[in-house]
Amino acid sequence: NAGVTQTPKFQVLKTGQSMTLQCAQDMNHEYMSWYRQDPGMGLRLIHYSVGAGITDQGEVPNGYNVSRSTTEDFPLRLLSAAPSQTSVYFCASSYSIQGPAKNIQYFGAGTRLSVL
Amino acid sequence: GENVEQHPSTLSVQEGDSAVIKCTYSDSASNYFPWYKQELGKRPQLIIDIRSNVGEKKDQRIAVTLNKTAKHFSLHITETQPEDSAVYFCAASKMGFQKLVFGTGTRLLVSP
Repeated sequence: NAGVTQTPKFQVLKTGQSMTLQCAQDMNHEYMSWYRQDPGMGLRLIHYSVGAGITDQGEVPNGYNVSRSTTEDFPLRLLSAAPSQTSVYFCASSYSIQGPAKNIQYFGAGTRLSVL
Repeated sequence: GENVEQHPSTLSVQEGDSAVIKCTYSDSASNYFPWYKQELGKRPQLIIDIRSNVGEKKDQRIAVTLNKTAKHFSLHITETQPEDSAVYFCAASKMGFQKLVFGTGTRLLVSP
């Protein structure tokens, strides 16, 4: 199993450009989420999904869109990049049911994004 | 919504000492509390977690304690080693509802 795979690893954008960060998991996890990590602020939830066709907003959703057409994939779209979106982005996945070892979230390796 | 505060933001210890990191949470309905370790440039990785029906959990040199009444939980690392140097994050959520809310992190530096 590859686990959670994120692409690209690094990206530089100009203000106003759009792009999609890819996230895929091969563990048949129902739950997937996107976080951004900024210095001194921990990880903040952007959007999450509890299954194919279902998405919801997290703590900092503005400027980002998501969709979940399959169980495996959960792309994050930046509609019009802004310097404030410079950050490291992590995708994570887990089972959505309760129970020992079921709630562990597995993180991807991250995408480092710079918006100039 | 849930708010998680974490202290201290940085912690320096000598190899072999113990380290304690503390977190408080605001939502009394939270019942799942994981701790993640993040080495420089790497992804966060779960090191230990605790559920609200348990007061303490140990795994070799690391332990987590939970005080539901006071709404705080702590990570204890004994016999620290240089490879324990990393940023540690606490988090809280309601089980079955996976929205983890993270603390702001503690940078632990273990000096030989």
